[in-house]
Amino acid sequence: EAGVAQSPRYKIIEKRQSVAFWCNPISGHATLYWYQQILGQGPKLLIQFQNNGVVDDSQLPKDRFSAERLKGVDSTLKIQPAKLEDSAVYLCASSLDEVQPQHFGDGTRLSIL
Amino acid sequence: SQQGEEDPQALSIQEGENATMNCSYKTSINNLQWYRQNSGRGLVHLILIRSNEREKHSGRLRVTLDTSKKSSSLLITASRAADTASYFCATEKVGGTSYGKLTFGQGTILTVHP
Repeated sequence: EAGVAQSPRYKIIEKRQSVAFWCNPISGHATLYWYQQILGQGPKLLIQFQNNGVVDDSQLPKDRFSAERLKGVDSTLKIQPAKLEDSAVYLCASSLDEVQPQHFGDGTRLSIL
Repeated sequence: SQQGEEDPQALSIQEGENATMNCSYKTSINNLQWYRQNSGRGLVHLILIRSNEREKHSGRLRVTLDTSKKSSSLLITASRAADTASYFCATEKVGGTSYGKLTFGQGTILTVHP
């Protein structure tokens, strides 16, 4: 089966600019996750979707980050405006449902200048 | 916040040797999972152990869980150069909207020399 697809792979922007990341989960996977992974650390969950509804966004900085999952398939994560501390790899993962293991994409590496 | 803490932070061994990584956590869990991450890639799920299980095997991997000590270990036997990667434990906490919500540790960087 095809894996989780993410784009772009790399993005360089200046602080205060906006950026968007795209994720296409594995077909049929109801649950989708966005993680932020800062260099040298483990991933931190930003938001969890079940189909097109939000299950958990308690760690999403909602003043600057937003995410949506239209029609319960693809998802986008947006940062507006970006800060220097947002430099990280943004990982998308999906699973058949909430209790199944998660499958990760290769992420988008974001650098803020 | 990081729920799990891995130990050691880095581990360097020769091919053929065994590698043991440990993970400690703070709150009651439904399950604990181990993931591998190769440089520049996403995480790959290795094994899941539920809170009522004490040991689980998968190929060259052996995972133990001690809920009384809130700790787990991952043993990789007969390591290969291809096992070189970062290894993360992740816990799913009990209660609330926690189903599927994983909290990852900082990871152990494993280097296996040919």
